Amino acid sequence: GAVVSQHPSRVICKSGTSVKIECRSLDFQATTMFWYRQFPKKSLMLMATSNEGSKATYEQGVEKDKFLINHASLTLSTLTVTSAHPEDSSFYICSADGPGDQAFFGQGTRLTVV
Amino acid sequence: GQQLNQSPQSMFIQEGEDVSMNCTSSSIFNTWLWYKQDPGEGPVLLIALYKAGELTSNGRLTAQFGITRKDSFLNISASIPSDVGIYFCAGQRPGATNKLIFGTGTLLAVQP
Repeated sequence: GAVVSQHPSRVICKSGTSVKIECRSLDFQATTMFWYRQFPKKSLMLMATSNEGSKATYEQGVEKDKFLINHASLTLSTLTVTSAHPEDSSFYICSADGPGDQAFFGQGTRLTVV
Repeated sequence: GQQLNQSPQSMFIQEGEDVSMNCTSSSIFNTWLWYKQDPGEGPVLLIALYKAGELTSNGRLTAQFGITRKDSFLNISASIPSDVGIYFCAGQRPGATNKLIFGTGTLLAVQP
């Protein structure tokens, strides 16, 4: 149990377009989810905390208008990268608070902006 | 964003050797976690530590939560080729449930 699924796993988009990434908790409900960004050969950096039914909380230096987060249900949070640029290319990973108060991670989404 | 200091940055070892890596922080943490990440995948939890001084094992893996609550180590005994990957520590501050701060990572390569 306690599976978190991200979709898509890979996406390529053109500069200036927007991309939506979904994070779903498949067999549990999550009032809180987290979005991380990971550059090649680097660590995971927390971007924002996604709270069901309320606004996301963004970490310092993360543009909230650039990275729109919506957590409309207890099993789904979405991250939309708006007006994407090549420097937004990265590996985006979500996690959800699950059973036993443990964080369960999705498999990640590789975004490439061309 | 903040990261934890993790060392070594990379290790290249022979199969059967033991491995040790550690993380340090200038702040205290309530929880220390160790993850393994394979290429193109999300991190997978290996061991969770909840009390200062706690020593926990999971098969060939052993991890300890430092007494000062500012450090942790992970040992892997008798390494095998499938241990290859990037290992991350992560800390959780008091009052920040599952808002994790990750270490800089240790790349482990195991030669058969």
